[in-house]
Amino acid sequence: ETGVTQSPTHLIKTRGQQVTLRCSSQSGHNTVSWYQQALGQGPQFIFQYYREEENGRGNFPPRFSGLQFPNYSSELNVNALELDDSALYLCASSLDRGDTEAFFGQGTRLTVV
Amino acid sequence: AQKITQTQPGMFVQEKEAVTLDCTYDTSDQSYGLFWYKQPSSGEMIFLIYQGSYDEQNATEGRYSLNFQKARKSANLVISASQLGDSAMYFCAMRVYGGATNKLIFGTGTLLAVQP
Repeated sequence: ETGVTQSPTHLIKTRGQQVTLRCSSQSGHNTVSWYQQALGQGPQFIFQYYREEENGRGNFPPRFSGLQFPNYSSELNVNALELDDSALYLCASSLDRGDTEAFFGQGTRLTVV
Repeated sequence: AQKITQTQPGMFVQEKEAVTLDCTYDTSDQSYGLFWYKQPSSGEMIFLIYQGSYDEQNATEGRYSLNFQKARKSANLVISASQLGDSAMYFCAMRVYGGATNKLIFGTGTLLAVQP
């Protein structure tokens, strides 16, 4: 148990729709990162939030956006879903940006049809 | 460019034997950390072991040890006395320090199957 929970665990959406994935971090963790893991691949960094502001972004288009809230929860929003967005989405929280360890949730498996 | 390479897509090992999972990395930065994660079929990433670039001793955590060879840029994971529950995907990852974002860069993973 990492203390990081994600919801929902599974989701099926239609191409063109919008989706919101949620993550609840450990209390006190002010940094959350989101990763996309396509089938058979390693996770790819989407972006990171630190104290409710975006702190860095990977090579993902603007239709991927996020929010972080004061209660240590966060969201990943994806607009105009494409078939290639089908993947496992993982969030990871850490106490601070420079921390060694990141605690991962169990992920949300998104299928776009 | 920063990159992690795992060249073994899959590995088999007999229960109770040791196994080495390979990982090489590429970075021009001096301050970085290397991680190994285990991902069972449930999906969550389970942290196993960490090695800092300035650490002189190889990291160990129970049955896990990290064979860190800085000059060769390799960070192999050694699992001793394999157990059936070790069957999972294993990912090597790197974090470069000094920038504003401490993102993890992952390899493509190695699928380990432990046979009874």
